[in-house]
Amino acid sequence: AQSVTQLGSHVSVSEGALVLLRCNYSSSVPPYLFWYVQYPNQGLQLLLKYTTGATLVKGINGFEAEFKKSETSFHLTKPSAHMSDAAEYFCAVSLNSGNTPLVFGKGTRLSVIA
Amino acid sequence: NAGVTQTPKFRVLKTGQSMTLLCAQDMNHEYMYWYRQDPGMGLRLIHYSVGEGTTAKGEVPDGYNVSRLKKQNFLLGLESAAPSQTSVYFCASLKTGTYDEQFFGPGTRLTVL
Repeated sequence: AQSVTQLGSHVSVSEGALVLLRCNYSSSVPPYLFWYVQYPNQGLQLLLKYTTGATLVKGINGFEAEFKKSETSFHLTKPSAHMSDAAEYFCAVSLNSGNTPLVFGKGTRLSVIA
Repeated sequence: NAGVTQTPKFRVLKTGQSMTLLCAQDMNHEYMYWYRQDPGMGLRLIHYSVGEGTTAKGEVPDGYNVSRLKKQNFLLGLESAAPSQTSVYFCASLKTGTYDEQFFGPGTRLTVL
């Protein structure tokens, strides 16, 4: 069965600093991997996804993530944090069958300090 | 397109009362999902549907029932609400044949007293 571990339930960075949100997954087959963002009192919005091909994936709002099979990781990064990045971020995994629901991590709340 | 909509946005129930949450999507998606979100727990799948007339259990199905009588609608029912069902409920939909993003509704905040 798949599972997702997000290290750190809360991450705080200064405005302009590097953002690094960690995600490790467990899957018996090659996974599809996703990062979603949730702004306060809203639903989830897709930031980026990895299915096949290039392991460095670029998403919206300057975020990117790299799929590292050897480390079973899919960490999310952004070179320079902006105040508007403050939100909760969820990593999710699914088997590449197209018929398997997503399994979400518990989420990481990102705070950005001015 | 309205995308995924959820009704109601907020609700307060007393223990033992019943209610139905409605999810509607206008994107002609085959797959639909119900999740609950609790602090520190992420999103957990309650039930899902891979097409009209089909439903399946997710990770936390107990105390909930669902129906998918029409492709565009996915209903989540609580027959006898319990305080443990206080949560934020999200519906999502996905187009078959792609492994694209799930589109999420805005959520329903349910409090059971």
